[in-house]
Amino acid sequence: GQSLEQPSEVTAVEGAIVQINCTYQTSGFYGLSWYQQHDGGAPTFLSYNGLDGLEETGRFSSFLSRSDSYGYLLLQELQMKDSASYFCAVRDRGTGFQKLVFGTGTRLLVSP
Amino acid sequence: DGGITQSPKYLFRKEGQNVTLSCEQNLNHDAMYWYRQDPGQGLRLIYYSQIVNDFQKGDIAEGYSVSREKKESFPLTVTSAQKNPTAFYLCASSLTDGSHEQYFGPGTRLTVT
Repeated sequence: GQSLEQPSEVTAVEGAIVQINCTYQTSGFYGLSWYQQHDGGAPTFLSYNGLDGLEETGRFSSFLSRSDSYGYLLLQELQMKDSASYFCAVRDRGTGFQKLVFGTGTRLLVSP
Repeated sequence: DGGITQSPKYLFRKEGQNVTLSCEQNLNHDAMYWYRQDPGQGLRLIYYSQIVNDFQKGDIAEGYSVSREKKESFPLTVTSAQKNPTAFYLCASSLTDGSHEQYFGPGTRLTVT
């Protein structure tokens, strides 16, 4: 089976740094993605790690350790607009098809 | 502008009625998907299509049906057989089924009473 674990909620203040962890168990693994979703909105792609290490995209970075089945999303210089839910997703090969399996999401609350 | 459109944004239906949710993309993507999202939950895959005229069941296909007659369009029908249809429905597309980046539409919030 497949399962992904993320904290349900994280709180932080503006300007701070926050890390959202994701551990996964899948039968096959082809990479870890991160998506952001504001309340009532559509998920938008943030970052992808296909190999071990750190990927940086502006204020956001994502890390993957395949040996530990673990990844994290790092958000720096937090802004109020970063308040949203963040989902990790693994690319998993189903029966001849690579699908994304999503975690249940981490709700980030940024306060002034 | 390229993107995915879903309509309507909000939909209300009586129990026992079938309802069809629209999804259109002009990104020239081969793969399209339908997800269901319940409050405080992740996204669960209902159906997916790797290419026009082909589609497969996802993890929670019971009570749903789809068609893929055109590359741009992937409508989802929520049938009366779906026991708990009230949810937020998201359509997505990707260049191919192996793409790690999916593009999502704005979603349709369906309420069945």
